[in-house]
Amino acid sequence: RKEVEQDPGPFNVPEGATVAFNCTYSNSASQSFFWYRQDCRKEPKLLMSVYSSGNEDGRFTAQLNRASQYISLLIRDSKLSDSATYLCVVNGRNYGGSQGNLIFGKGTKLSVKP
Amino acid sequence: GAGVSQTPSNKVTEKGKYVELRCDPISGHTALYWYRQSLGQGPEFLIYFQGTGAADDSGLPNDRFFAVRPEGSVSTLKIQRTERGDSAVYLCASSSTVASTDTQYFGPGTRLTVL
Repeated sequence: RKEVEQDPGPFNVPEGATVAFNCTYSNSASQSFFWYRQDCRKEPKLLMSVYSSGNEDGRFTAQLNRASQYISLLIRDSKLSDSATYLCVVNGRNYGGSQGNLIFGKGTKLSVKP
Repeated sequence: GAGVSQTPSNKVTEKGKYVELRCDPISGHTALYWYRQSLGQGPEFLIYFQGTGAADDSGLPNDRFFAVRPEGSVSTLKIQRTERGDSAVYLCASSSTVASTDTQYFGPGTRLTVL
């Protein structure tokens, strides 16, 4: 089983749609969770951290379910500029690594069409 | 302020050659990380430094890969006897500390192609 698994995508949606990405992680002791965004041929950039209570930033909502080892990202009212690959990320400390390294999923590609 | 910078942006080399990839982190960041991203995959951890020392090098694939950070700022990733399978984008990131909640800021990467 891979350490971080995501929906393979791609997701093709019209502008204004609501889209949800899901991610599961294998180590129940994991402590820190993130969503990163990566544009084509660019570096990953932090979109938001994910907290147990869930958190929202404008049109973006992230949820964490520790019991199911499941992380989600919801994008409401999607814009053309949301087109990118979304990477689910877990801190590597409990995967035999250090607290410094991040474990990335493969990413889910989102394409928002006019 | 300036972000993480990496040079060169592209490197084409021949199988068996030696390459060096450079990373200049955000000023004052104590932690520096190297990742490798192959096409269609997420970044994979290689090594990270806290100050001058390698705190975790468990992601280095074999002994052809080596990284240094002699003065606790700039880091160089060195690959000996390159192989075609080493072709990937090599990403560097830095964070202000090594706390697991600290944001890692990524550089634009070096795209390495081994012919």
